[in-house]
Amino acid sequence: QKEVEQDPGPLSVPEGAIVSLNCTYSNSAFQYFMWYRQYSRKGPELLMYTYSSGNKEDGRFTAQVDKSSKYISLFIRDSQPSDSATYLCAMRLSGGYNKLIFGAGTRLAVHP
Amino acid sequence: KAGVTQTPRYLIKTRGQQVTLSCSPISGHRSVSWYQQTPGQGLQFLFEYFSETQRNKGNFPGRFSGRQFSNSRSEMNVSTLELGDSALYLCASSPDAGRLMNTEAFFGQGTRLTVV
Repeated sequence: QKEVEQDPGPLSVPEGAIVSLNCTYSNSAFQYFMWYRQYSRKGPELLMYTYSSGNKEDGRFTAQVDKSSKYISLFIRDSQPSDSATYLCAMRLSGGYNKLIFGAGTRLAVHP
Repeated sequence: KAGVTQTPRYLIKTRGQQVTLSCSPISGHRSVSWYQQTPGQGLQFLFEYFSETQRNKGNFPGRFSGRQFSNSRSEMNVSTLELGDSALYLCASSPDAGRLMNTEAFFGQGTRLTVV
């Protein structure tokens, strides 16, 4: 079993839809949670960075962490075709230096 | 502020050869990590360097090595290349003010290595 599980999709939604992306994990020691967006043939771009449990909002993006369920989510409101990309969740231990454990990534397609 | 710069962007090498990839972190960032991305395994951690010292290592064979220079620039070397080493190699840069202060990691565009 992988430490971080993420449905690879693909996920196809119409423009303007609310998108929900999720990851589950098995290591309860993870304390830092990140979401990256990766366009084809590009490096991952950091979208959201959260510590421990709770919600964080940035524009159309909301990240949620539920440590009791070992479950994290990323919501995208008013999705746009430009949001079409692969979304990767990543996690890190507290004091674990900068080693990130990634999910497999979910491919999202937003069609006009 | 300039982002993370990786060179070269593309490489084609023959099985058995060796290759060196370069990464220049964001100015002021002291931590550099390397990752391998393949369709089958996804993004996997190779190693991390901080202040010219490797302080974390993933589960890769000894053919994969790296180093960091005093200006925080880093290089990664793969010796005796195998077909399975074909991948996108990504470098991530972090400010890392100290061990207990976890900070975000910013990625470069990657070097796409093809082994034939």
